[in-house]
Amino acid sequence: GAVVSQHPSWVICKSGTSVKIECRSLDFQATTMFWYRQFPKQSLMLMATSNEGSKATYEQGVEKDKFLINHASLTLSTLTVTSAHPEDSSFYICSGSGLSKQETQYFGPGTRLLVL
Amino acid sequence: GQNIDQPTEMTATEGAIVQINCTYQTSGFNGLFWYQQHAGEAPTFLSYNVLDGLEEKGRFSSFLSRSKGYSYLLLKELQMKDSASYLCAVMNSNYQLIWGAGTKLIIKP
Repeated sequence: GAVVSQHPSWVICKSGTSVKIECRSLDFQATTMFWYRQFPKQSLMLMATSNEGSKATYEQGVEKDKFLINHASLTLSTLTVTSAHPEDSSFYICSGSGLSKQETQYFGPGTRLLVL
Repeated sequence: GQNIDQPTEMTATEGAIVQINCTYQTSGFNGLFWYQQHAGEAPTFLSYNVLDGLEEKGRFSSFLSRSKGYSYLLLKELQMKDSASYLCAVMNSNYQLIWGAGTKLIIKP
């Protein structure tokens, strides 16, 4: 399967700071990238969908000014959690899919964020 | 509304066979995916079904019946490393993935 990397894998930050998470597709061009959040023992929650070169589409209840997404190229998307608070502590996972809308999503390894 | 139903938890014995069911109601259908997720890790892709029938891939098989809105994931010759959550996801007519809550599979020696 296709490979997606995420960086960093772990981040601990103080409340009020911003954190940037990078998601890269290593061996394919990810036309669409997805950002998910997962709280312990809960299912994946889609936060937003981004297509290369255009603005991300956010799911209901997700603040676009707090979770900034940039999909600048076919291999890189970033999620910035601005002014992070303890309730933003979660497991953030990105995935990428290729040209066809029906293509499989391949997931990065995830980033565990802890806001103190 | 759209929903995916799968059992919350299942237990099986090492070496045995287990079937994890998934039923769905979505606005349109563009395929059904199964993913495996180990605790603390991201999901990994297992299978994709878009036509009715059985897809076999080694020890894992996935079945789909579109008329019944039903799928199952069959795991044979269970190994301890198969202990994980198994996520069923359906792609609807808008090409959105609708996720089930996952089935936690516990393998006992």
